[in-house]
Amino acid sequence: LAKTTQPISMDSYEGQEVNITCSHNNIATNDYITWYQQFPSQGPRFIIQGYKTKVTNEVASLFIPADRKSSTLSLPRVSLSDTAVYYCLVGRMNRDDKIIFGKGTRLHILP
Amino acid sequence: EAQVTQNPRYLITVTGKKLTVTCSQNMNHEYMSWYRQDPGLGLRQIYYSMNVEVTDKGDVPEGYKVSRKEKRNFPLILESPSPNQTSLYFCASMLSTNYRDRDYEQYFGPGTRLTVT
Repeated sequence: LAKTTQPISMDSYEGQEVNITCSHNNIATNDYITWYQQFPSQGPRFIIQGYKTKVTNEVASLFIPADRKSSTLSLPRVSLSDTAVYYCLVGRMNRDDKIIFGKGTRLHILP
Repeated sequence: EAQVTQNPRYLITVTGKKLTVTCSQNMNHEYMSWYRQDPGLGLRQIYYSMNVEVTDKGDVPEGYKVSRKEKRNFPLILESPSPNQTSLYFCASMLSTNYRDRDYEQYFGPGTRLTVT
């Protein structure tokens, strides 16, 4: 899987839009970009996945520029309950691929 | 309810005493995996299985064994636990690695907190 780089931590306030960017310069042609959310002492939870341009679901949006060397997870109008660690994963599974979560971005939402 | 279950949720044991952490999923998923999570190190993959009777090493397989005799179960075995295996363990499953949509939507269990003294 392609190596990813994310900010270690971010702070924001309730009601704000939060954007977390992930760099993945070595992304391959067939790689997908996937984001997970993890609360303390819980397993990660899938948020969103995309290949190019923009993907939106009920929770978040994912923006992927044309060169696909980075991606931005956008959380609209965050609340205190969005305080969590967010992981960006890039790759496409095959038999020889391991999954590497990295250390993620610790998002702290302030009242 | 679609879910991944792990047992036990908490376990305190002593060095060298063999243990097994069970993992079961009810979604007919082909892919299953074990991770450990340690402070400052994030989630690291231990072993994964693409299907029944197919297992492969992840990033940190030393000291662990797995088996996949049935599609729904993927137990993690520590033959001789040591204190450095004290960690939070997660089991996860995914529909299929050949599934075009949501290739990486893994479903995680609630975690097993293991302490080896």
